[in-house]
Formats: sequence, structure tokens, C-alpha cells
Amino acid sequence: GAGVSQSPRYKVAKRGQDVALRCDPISGHVSLFWYQQALGQGPEFLTYFQNEAQLDKSGLPSDRFFAERPEGSVSTLKIQRTQQEDSAVYLCASSLEAGEGYEQYFGPGTRLTVT
Amino acid sequence: GDSVTQMEGPVTLSEEAFLTINCTYTATGYPSLFWYVQYPGEGLQLLLKATKADDKGSNKGFEATYRKETTSFHLEKGSVQVSDSAVYFCALSDRNTGRRALTFGSGTRLQVQP
Repeated sequence: GAGVSQSPRYKVAKRGQDVALRCDPISGHVSLFWYQQALGQGPEFLTYFQNEAQLDKSGLPSDRFFAERPEGSVSTLKIQRTQQEDSAVYLCASSLEAGEGYEQYFGPGTRLTVT
Repeated sequence: GDSVTQMEGPVTLSEEAFLTINCTYTATGYPSLFWYVQYPGEGLQLLLKATKADDKGSNKGFEATYRKETTSFHLEKGSVQVSDSAVYFCALSDRNTGRRALTFGSGTRLQVQP
């Protein structure tokens, strides 16, 4: 079956531009996570949705970062006024249930380069 | 806060060699532990997991045992193959905090030479 998909796969933005990154989770998955992965590092948590509710946004690095999942399926991560330090791979993951310990399925990521 | 520490790579081994990748963790509660693998050009995949002390997770010849007394979850494989070349990430989720997100280590790159 279809896994988690993300688009675009690659994005180059000039500093100061706004970007929107899309995540299509596995159908029926309740939980959706966004992570940021800097080069040579492990992913770091950004935000978490249970259905359409954003239950945890403690990892968002600044108020330039905004995420939504209005109908409880597709999610968009928006970064306003991009900065060079925003360059990273942005990973989306979904999980069937809301409980702790359930496997998270990851998408291929969007590589954002801010010039 | 929670954290995961992995041995630095790259780890370079010959085919059929024994593999150990060390992982230790710090958590406020009683975490579940995971190993994820990222093959070249692919997304992160769950390799194995353990949810309580002394549990052993295993998959594709890889094993890791949840050691609460040493706060460790070392990954082992008795005989590696070239196809095992990838980046391996140790991770935890801490049920005590109710935080469902994963906390990852920085990853260990494994290169297996024929």
C-alpha cells in the first residue's frame, strides 16, 4: 500500500521567502508528526497532530514556523521569511494510533535549501 | 530532558563481521526504545523496538536488548552484509511525559565492504 508521501522532495528558497511543505500520511493514520533533520544529525521533533488537533508544538523553533492539518489527513508545514538556518530535511511521519510506542512511518522528506 | 547518545561513525566492517552500535539514553520516565535505519536514498524505517526492561527486539538478524540498569539499547548483528550499509538511529519515546514524539540520537553510519 501507499506509504507517507511528501512534496516537494527538494525546495530551494531565497532568504526571506515563504515556503509550504506538504505531507500525505498513510490513510486512516490518526497521528502525524513533523521533524527537522539537519545534515549529519538525527531528526528533531517539531510538532504533533492527533487527527486535526495540534496537541504539541513545543519543537517549533520560532513563530515563523506554522503547521496545520485541517481535515485530519493532509498536513502542511509553512515557514515564513526563511533564514539560512532553516536549511534542513523536513520529515513527516504518521502513526495508526495515538498511543505511545506505536510505530511511526516516515516519508522520504523534503530537502529545503535557503540561499 | 530526554536524550539519546550513540557511538560516532562511520563504522567500517568487512562482510560477515560482528556488529555492535552502542546506544545509551536518559529519560525522566520509562521509555520505549527503537532502532531506525535509513538506507541510501530512502526514508527512515523501523528496524526493531522494545517497550520494557529486558525485552529483546529483533529483525533481519539484528538484535537489541532493553537494559534498564545500564540505560542502554545496543544494536548487534552476528554477520553483516554489504546490503546492511546504512545510517542507524537509536530513538526513544517517553510514556511518562506523555510526549509521543521520538527523541533520536545523531545516527551511526555503517559501511560494509565486500
